[in-house]
Amino acid sequence: NAGVTQTPKFQVLKTGQSMTLQCAQDMNHNSMYWYRQDPGMGLRLIYYSASEGTTDKGEVPNGYNVSRLNKREFSLRLESAAPSQTSVYFCASIPTRGKETQYFGPGTRLLVL
Amino acid sequence: QKEVEQNSGPLSVPEGAIASLNCTYSDRGSQSFFWYRQYSGKSPELIMFIYSNGDKEDGRFTAQLNKASQYVSLLIRDSQPSDSATYLCAVTRNFNKFYFGSGTKLNVKP
Repeated sequence: NAGVTQTPKFQVLKTGQSMTLQCAQDMNHNSMYWYRQDPGMGLRLIYYSASEGTTDKGEVPNGYNVSRLNKREFSLRLESAAPSQTSVYFCASIPTRGKETQYFGPGTRLLVL
Repeated sequence: QKEVEQNSGPLSVPEGAIASLNCTYSDRGSQSFFWYRQYSGKSPELIMFIYSNGDKEDGRFTAQLNKASQYVSLLIRDSQPSDSATYLCAVTRNFNKFYFGSGTKLNVKP
């Protein structure tokens, strides 16, 4: 049971490049989330998926797209990266029962030059 | 106005003292409240959650919720150097959107 995994751990992009951040959980959780965390700030919700096949915008969705490929996987795509998207990205999931615990992945550090 | 406000600190307390962390939120419809601990370079980990007004205790940690005043607090008794971290407050109405504060950095001095 690996919990929530994220790939890659670290990525450097040039402005305008695209990339997809991958997230997977093996705990059979329905809800999954993507957050970004900038220095000295808390987490801000980008997108969430309450169940397989559904996605909704969070607090800061501009510049991002998501795909809930199946129950396990929730990917975040940057179509044209900008320096303002330099951040640490966390994926998280919540079980259907016992929703109190949000399980976080280890994070992806993204640097956009 | 930010959804969740926290004093950024740092809050410095001596080892063995009580650390008191506070958080206010703007959405009166918030139903669930969480405290996370985050070590530098790591992902957040849940410390406590609370739903009802009043106090909830778990070991050295006590969460306090006052919905009328829209604040949540976390007390850490017998603070240890290993408690030194950033503490994030989070709130949600329905487990769809979560709002986090910017965190309070706690330093526990030996």
